[in-house]
Amino acid sequence: EDKVVQSPLSLVVHEGDTVTLNCSYEVTNFRSLLWYKQEKKAPTFLFMLTSSGIEKKSGRLSSILDKKELFSILNITATQTGDSAVYLCAVGDYGQNFVFGPGTRLSVLP
Amino acid sequence: DGGITQSPKYLFRKEGQNVTLSCEQNLNHDAMYWYRQDPGQGLRLIYYSQIVNDFQKGDIAEGYSVSREKKESFPLTVTSAQKNPTAFYLCASSSDLRVNYGYTFGSGTRLTVV
Repeated sequence: EDKVVQSPLSLVVHEGDTVTLNCSYEVTNFRSLLWYKQEKKAPTFLFMLTSSGIEKKSGRLSSILDKKELFSILNITATQTGDSAVYLCAVGDYGQNFVFGPGTRLSVLP
Repeated sequence: DGGITQSPKYLFRKEGQNVTLSCEQNLNHDAMYWYRQDPGQGLRLIYYSQIVNDFQKGDIAEGYSVSREKKESFPLTVTSAQKNPTAFYLCASSSDLRVNYGYTFGSGTRLTVV
């Protein structure tokens, strides 16, 4: 059975800190790994990763995939209160379905 | 603007009642999905449909039903057989051409049983 595990489940930091969120997976016929940010309602897309070792960056956020060790990390540098959200990791196979992890709830305090 | 519209945003249901959650998309996406989200459990797949007039059960389909009579619409009915329906429900869609990029999500419906 496909499985996605995220850690930590919850994290509290102060503004300016750097955080690393982890996602490990067991998926048959891996195709891609996605990171989403969910604030109140609909998750919004952050990154899509398909190849090992290639870092994706968007402003203060970056992510990388290790297909050998079956994990990905999401880094956020110089955190701001607006980064407070649940960060979801999802892994897709060669169907059109994605398996989601439980999410990491990040709280950034001023 | 293209997107997915879910309605209503909030829904209250008495025990024993069936309720239907609406999901409409104008993205011309072939595939549509319903997920349930409970605290600390991420998203769990209820049903999905890859083409009109066809749908498959996800991991937690019991107590739910769907239909896909039009490409744009994928309503979810929460039946009285669903023992613990209070949750946040998300509808999503995806395109064959951009399937690697995952889903576009609606804003969700929060269902509460009173």
